[in-house]
Amino acid sequence: DTEVTQTPKHLVMGMTNKKSLKCEQHMGHRAMYWYKQKAKKPPELMFVYSYEKLSINESVPSRFSPECPNSSLLNLHLHALQPEDSALYLCASTHPAAINSPLHFGNGTRLTVT
Amino acid sequence: RKEVEQDPGPFNVPEGATVAFNCTYSNSASQSFFWYRQDCRKEPKLLMSVYSSGNEDGRFTAQLNRASQYISLLIRDSKLSDSATYLCVVNPNNNNDMRFGAGTRLTVKP
Repeated sequence: DTEVTQTPKHLVMGMTNKKSLKCEQHMGHRAMYWYKQKAKKPPELMFVYSYEKLSINESVPSRFSPECPNSSLLNLHLHALQPEDSALYLCASTHPAAINSPLHFGNGTRLTVT
Repeated sequence: RKEVEQDPGPFNVPEGATVAFNCTYSNSASQSFFWYRQDCRKEPKLLMSVYSSGNEDGRFTAQLNRASQYISLLIRDSKLSDSATYLCVVNPNNNNDMRFGAGTRLTVKP
């Protein structure tokens, strides 16, 4: 069982659709992350929120829009995606700026853009 | 130079073998280091944190070499169930910026 919950597990969307990925954790972590992972590649950092403020944006295209409504929730809003955006999207959380505090991952959302 | 570099392998070893992976990092000020295991189509799971003095958990030993800026993972007496991708994670700037190495694919064969 994972302590970070992601929904949905699978998502198929067209290039004109708008959808959202959701992530929730109740471990009291104040840093939350979105990673994108393509097949046979490592997770690639997209966004980091620290104390509900966006602290890292890895030059992600604006068709991906993150949101952190509160300390337990993290959303990723998707609009006008391209087929190459198909990937596993992983949410993670940790204690911010705490040495040796590891990332805890959700199960991920497997996204297919048609 | 990439912030975190890792030999992607693959490593194919027989059961019972000892295998070691290394991961180099570019920022000498990095403070946080981890090894994760990822099975096919699953999320990464924490295998172990890497402490300055080195640490061991059963068949797994992690070490940090600050002088040469690398971390290592040693797996002794490999089991079939150890087959997975092993990913190193470094916080290169000590600011929540957690970066993955490329991952090393390990296959343990009977």
